[in-house]
Amino acid sequence: GQSLEQPSEVTAVEGAIVQINCTYQTSGFYGLSWYQQHDGGAPTFLSYNALDGLEETGRFSSFLSRSDSYGYLLLQELQMKDSASYFCAVMRGGQNFVFGPGTRLSVLP
Amino acid sequence: DTGVSQNPRHKITKRGQNVTFRCDPISEHNRLYWYRQTLGQGPEFLTYFQNEAQLEKSRLLSDRFSAERPKGSFSTLEIQRTEQGDSAMYLCASSLSGGGLLGNQPQHFGDGTRLSIL
Repeated sequence: GQSLEQPSEVTAVEGAIVQINCTYQTSGFYGLSWYQQHDGGAPTFLSYNALDGLEETGRFSSFLSRSDSYGYLLLQELQMKDSASYFCAVMRGGQNFVFGPGTRLSVLP
Repeated sequence: DTGVSQNPRHKITKRGQNVTFRCDPISEHNRLYWYRQTLGQGPEFLTYFQNEAQLEKSRLLSDRFSAERPKGSFSTLEIQRTEQGDSAMYLCASSLSGGGLLGNQPQHFGDGTRLSIL
């Protein structure tokens, strides 16, 4: 079968850096995506990694190690508006996406 | 780009009734996905279309669930004989195709339809 694991909650203060880890176990792995979801809102796409290494997009970076079945999302210069749930999602063959359980990030002033 | 639109936003119905939800994707997107999300969980994949063809359906999806995308534009998701366990947020997403194995076309999600079974 397939499974993804993420920490359920992370708390940090404004201006800090936080890392949200994701480990996965799946067949037919193509890549790892990250989505952000505010309470009551729709998930929004943040990043995608198909190859090992770090991808940087503004304050957010995402990392993938295929050999370790591991990735993380790095958020820098945290802002209050970053308080949300963050989901990693594995893209498998056939455009089938499996989402993790999500990490709830709380940013404190 | 008007975004992905889902209707209705909320649906309350009695157990045993049939319900139908509609999703209007971003107009140029040929891929359309349906997910189910319960509180505190990530979206759970239900099914996916490329144009009008339903290419994949989750094994978790019982035969009470059916989805269509008759003209490759909007899609409907129907649940027959609803049960308490069907209460959830039903999310639709759309994307372009392409990008290959190394690329990825991000999915754009609608705000969802919240289903409550009494």
